[in-house]
Amino acid sequence: AQSVAQPEDQVNVAEGNPLTVKCTYSVSGNPYLFWYVQYPNRGLQFLLKYITGDNLVKGSYGFEAEFNKSQTSFHLKKPSALVSDSALYFCAVSPSDYKLSFGAGTTVTVRA
Amino acid sequence: GAGVSQSPRYKVAKRGQDVALRCDPISGHVSLFWYQQALGQGPEFLTYFQNEAQLDKSGLPSDRFFAERPEGSVSTLKIQRTQQEDSAVYLCASSLAGGVTYEQYFGPGTRLTVT
Repeated sequence: AQSVAQPEDQVNVAEGNPLTVKCTYSVSGNPYLFWYVQYPNRGLQFLLKYITGDNLVKGSYGFEAEFNKSQTSFHLKKPSALVSDSALYFCAVSPSDYKLSFGAGTTVTVRA
Repeated sequence: GAGVSQSPRYKVAKRGQDVALRCDPISGHVSLFWYQQALGQGPEFLTYFQNEAQLDKSGLPSDRFFAERPEGSVSTLKIQRTQQEDSAVYLCASSLAGGVTYEQYFGPGTRLTVT
């Protein structure tokens, strides 16, 4: 079975500080990994994905993620967090070539 | 342009009632997905359509759940004889085509509460 784990339910950072949201995966074969963000009363929004190629993936809103095969991780990072980054973040893996399997989510709070 | 829309946004049903949830995907998107998101959890896959063909329904929790996309555009998720455990947010997503290289665009969801 292919799955992802988000070990932190909540992450709290001060505005301007670096933000990291952790994700580890368990897959057989090549992993297809994704990050989505969910704002209140809005749908999930795609941030970035890793399919193949460079281990450092750049995405929307200044976010990036690093694929680390030896540590089976795909942590989401942003060098300088904004208050507006406060939201619920989901890591996901694709166990097939279409459906997504999501983690439980991490709530990010950025304080001014 | 218009994104994925879902209706109703909120639905309260008494246990035992049937409900129908509608999804309007982005125009031209071939693939359509339904996910179920329980409170405090990540979305879980329910079913997948490519055009009008339902290619995967492995995530539907019971035979009370039924989904259709008869003309390859609008889709309806129907739940018969609703139970309290069906209370969740039901998310619809569409993508230009199948395959992980195509981003899934999500709608705002329908929050179903079964009392």
